Amino acid sequence: GENVEQHPSTLSVQEGDSAVIKCTYSDSASNYFPWYKQELGKGPQLIIDIRSNVGEKKDQRIAVTLNKTAKHFSLHITETQPEDSAVYFCAASREYGNKLVFGAGTILRVKS
Amino acid sequence: DVKVTQSSRYLVKRTGEKVFLECVQDMDHENMFWYRQDPGLGLRLIYFSYDVKMKEKGDIPEGYSVSREKKERFSLILESASTNQTSMYLCASITGGSAEQYFGPGTRLTVT
Repeated sequence: GENVEQHPSTLSVQEGDSAVIKCTYSDSASNYFPWYKQELGKGPQLIIDIRSNVGEKKDQRIAVTLNKTAKHFSLHITETQPEDSAVYFCAASREYGNKLVFGAGTILRVKS
Repeated sequence: DVKVTQSSRYLVKRTGEKVFLECVQDMDHENMFWYRQDPGLGLRLIYFSYDVKMKEKGDIPEGYSVSREKKERFSLILESASTNQTSMYLCASITGGSAEQYFGPGTRLTVT
């Protein structure tokens, strides 16, 4: 089955700097890759996603890139703010809207 | 605004007890999921359901069962709770053909 590895497990950045979180997946049939953000005391919430027919997607300060050949995808957050501090999870799925396999998560701390 | 609610935020049970975790969504979603979240392991799928009275095992179903008698409600059952089932439990729902899984706030279960 699918296996998703996520790095780093923790990341501290200074406010205004960029943050990058990387994930690799094992199942070449996976074609949907969402990123979820989990704030303290809340459930995860989708922040951005990408399908396998697209190499990059951007939404304001957040971008995701996908390299199908290498089977890895990354989350890029620019101009980080204290409210970006949270746990971020990558995930992969064979089918849009179907069950997801999640990475282990990255704790992002933005220091002001 | 989609809302997924879980019956308890915190729960303490004794070893051997039967435990029910309830999840209700108010958006008429077909698909519902139960995950457990553990530090360093991310979210792991326990069971999911694509329709009323239908269920499928996820990646870690051992020691758990589920019930879906009504479309809006998906219950996770621990037949005989054990200490290794101490965890955060998250419920999610999604409508068919859509991308975003909507998560509840989670139930932190402690088994002593």
